[in-house]
Amino acid sequence: TQLLEQSPQFLSIQEGENLTVYCNSSSVFSSLQWYRQEPGEGPVLLVTVVTGGEVKKLKRLTFQFGDARKDSSLHITAAQPGDTGLYLCAGLTNSNSGYALNFGKGTSLLVTP
Amino acid sequence: SAVISQKPSRDICQRGTSLTIQCQVDSQVTMMFWYRQQPGQSLTLIATANQGSEATYESGFVIDKFPISRPNLTFSTLTVSNMSPEDSSIYLCSAPGGGGIIGGYTFGSGTRLTVV
Repeated sequence: TQLLEQSPQFLSIQEGENLTVYCNSSSVFSSLQWYRQEPGEGPVLLVTVVTGGEVKKLKRLTFQFGDARKDSSLHITAAQPGDTGLYLCAGLTNSNSGYALNFGKGTSLLVTP
Repeated sequence: SAVISQKPSRDICQRGTSLTIQCQVDSQVTMMFWYRQQPGQSLTLIATANQGSEATYESGFVIDKFPISRPNLTFSTLTVSNMSPEDSSIYLCSAPGGGGIIGGYTFGSGTRLTVV
């Protein structure tokens, strides 16, 4: 199994601050996905990055895929309380049963007003 | 993208009993996946359910404990058998969201299971 290391594990910040979440692996991934999960819900896809060096923006969220396709980052500008949630990076892995998502340990973000 | 309806959303069960979780997808999908998640933590893949064949299980998960059905391309069930308090967790199903790899995967809203 290809391991994804995610950091930090917990992050508590005030509204308006910026933050970056990191997702690293020793393995090369053909693509990485970022999800956000709120309590009582399943993860929801934010973005998929496919090309090494790729940068994608989703409003105040900026996603970057490393040149070697082993790492990715999520940067949030001017965080808002609505950004609170569990952020998960995930890569496709050829599991016992076909292509399934292998998740990092997640970053639990709390944004206080 | 695909939408998944999962039920029950939560349950409290006695040890030694079994619970069956259902997932209905609004479109046909070849593969469906079942995950387990401790609150606030990451997801661990239990097994993949393919229509027309037996489910394939990840290391640490066995069919006798987590039997899975996949009677058609839009439906799957996961049963947690002979439950113990250690089985208390959130169980989620997932399927490709449509749109290839860019479309990612869609998830049910989860079943929060408490075994007492």
